[in-house]
Amino acid sequence: EDKVVQSPLSLVVHEGDTVTLNCSYEVTNFRSLLWYKQEKKAPTFLFMLTSSGIEKKSGRLSSILDKKELFSILNITATQTGDSAIYLCAVEASAGGTSYGKLTFGQGTILTVHP
Amino acid sequence: DGGITQSPKYLFRKEGQNVTLSCEQNLNHDAMYWYRQDPGQGLRLIYYSQIVNDFQKGDIAEGYSVSREKKESFPLTVTSAQKNPTAFYLCASSIGGGFKTQYFGPGTRLLVL
Repeated sequence: EDKVVQSPLSLVVHEGDTVTLNCSYEVTNFRSLLWYKQEKKAPTFLFMLTSSGIEKKSGRLSSILDKKELFSILNITATQTGDSAIYLCAVEASAGGTSYGKLTFGQGTILTVHP
Repeated sequence: DGGITQSPKYLFRKEGQNVTLSCEQNLNHDAMYWYRQDPGQGLRLIYYSQIVNDFQKGDIAEGYSVSREKKESFPLTVTSAQKNPTAFYLCASSIGGGFKTQYFGPGTRLLVL
């Protein structure tokens, strides 16, 4: 069974701190790893990672994938109160049968940034 | 066979035209989702529905509409208001809501003429 585990489950920091969120996975037929930010309802897409060692960046957020050790990290530098959210990691895998693929989400990391 | 089917596999749209993409599942899943995938990008959520007769906007709902009149079916209409519709569209379903494990259909590639 495919598994995605995130850590820590929750994190409380002050504005300006740097945080690192972890995601480890065990899946068959890995295709990609995705990071999402969820504030209210649906998750908002952040990054898609398919290759090891290539950092993706968007402003203060960056992420990297290690396909040998089966994990990814999401870094947020100079955190702001607006970064407070649940951060979800999801792994896309090929599936057999009639389905095109399967997306398995981790349980999420709740980040709280205090002023 | 249980699964998710999408049709058509390829769809061509003319300027100013609305087109509807079909998604059907016989997995008895409550929740269904529509994603768009552009080259080099991950999946972006257009709309999702956790229960029949209810649906919610995702990241990029503008220019799209959906309906969920039956549990098995979640069609997506790409309206003329969507200015950049060329993409690969994936439908997914899951047993419960809350974005748990999702199973995807084979996708529809939409091209603008």
